[in-house]
Formats: sequence, structure tokens, C-alpha cells
Amino acid sequence: DAMVIQNPRYQVTQFGKPVTLSCSQTLNHNVMYWYQQKSSQAPKLLFHYYDKDFNNEADTPDNFQSRRPNTSFCFLDIRSPGLGDAAMYLCATKIEREAYNEQFFGPGTRLTVL
Amino acid sequence: AQSVTQLDSQVPVFEEAPVELRCNYSSSVSVYLFWYVQYPNQGLQLLLKYLSGSTLVKGINGFEAEFNKSQTSFHLRKPSVHISDTAEYFCAVTRNSGNTPLVFGKGTRLSVIA
Repeated sequence: DAMVIQNPRYQVTQFGKPVTLSCSQTLNHNVMYWYQQKSSQAPKLLFHYYDKDFNNEADTPDNFQSRRPNTSFCFLDIRSPGLGDAAMYLCATKIEREAYNEQFFGPGTRLTVL
Repeated sequence: AQSVTQLDSQVPVFEEAPVELRCNYSSSVSVYLFWYVQYPNQGLQLLLKYLSGSTLVKGINGFEAEFNKSQTSFHLRKPSVHISDTAEYFCAVTRNSGNTPLVFGKGTRLSVIA
């Protein structure tokens, strides 16, 4: 019974070709996060939503955009992927924004850029 | 701002031996602390968290961690490891108020040897 679902699990794209990663959740959580995780590194927060309120991290490149059309779905758009954008992309949710609440992670999408 | 240092990038240990994964944090304010586990090609799963109260926190899969405020540490321990514990372990911190994001350490790869 997957609660945070990410599709596809593996995505291959070409340098400069736009790509969209998707995340859906069955938890009805208000908060959704996108993280980038490069090999042997910690997850790095790109942005998060509290309901429809979008919060961008200061160092997230403009090349990365996000959409949250409803509570259940969130998308990560990479407008012009570069070789340095190859990574695992993790989606996570949290019931409310309070710091003590647990984040629930999806299995991730591994992006390869050729 | 908060930061996390995981002192060991890799820890090999024999099956049924005890293990300790070290985590130190830095913060000028009170914090919440978390340990997450990541199995290969999967998302992160919460092992345990410290919010307040007893400094010894018990989590899933037989893991426990002890919060030490004077040493700003939150080391993870297990008295007897199994092959299935082979994974990447991340320590994370956030301030205990507001909506600041989790800050992750760089991770420790635990390899359990038969």
C-alpha cells in the first residue's frame, strides 16, 4: 500500500530536453517536498508546498520548476536538463508544517541525462 | 542555521556485532533530531526521532539513539546487526519551532558482513 508514489522510477532524458517527474500521495498531507540527491550525498531540498503555497529554496536553479494542481499530485519540471542534474529525485509529504511531524518519502525517480 | 556532521562515511561490521553510527549537530536554538534509513534505490524511512523528554529514543528494527545536549550528539546504536540492516543512514536536524526544513547529514553507509 504505497503512500507516496513516484513515476517513473527511472527516467532517461537527453541534454536540454525538458522532463517532468511526478509524485502522488494517498495520505492527504498538506505539505509536499522535492529533494535532489546526488550519489553518496545528502538529500538537498529544492522546494516545498504548504497546500498551494509554494516555497522555493534560495539556491534552487531557475531550471527547476514545480506544480501542485491538487493536494494529491505534485510535479517537478526540469526545463533544460544538464549533465549535472543527473540524480535521484525524492518526493516527500508531511501532514502539517510543524517541525515535529514525520516526513514520508517516496521511492524516488533516478534521472539520467545523456 | 543548523548543520549535521556524520563522522563516518562508511561503517563495516560483522553480522550480530553491535554498531554505533555517529552524528553531531550544530545549532544555536533547540532542535528536533531524526534518523532515517535508505535502502538501495528506495526513499528514506524514519527510524526514530527525538523531540523532547527522555534522551534515549527507541525506534524501529531494534535501533535506538541517545540525545546528548552537552556534546551536541545523537548517535544511533544497535546491539546486534543483521545482513538486512545494510543501508545508508542519515541523521537530520530541524529547529523545534516554525517551519524550517530538515537539514541532513551526508550519510553513513552501513555494510553488514556475514
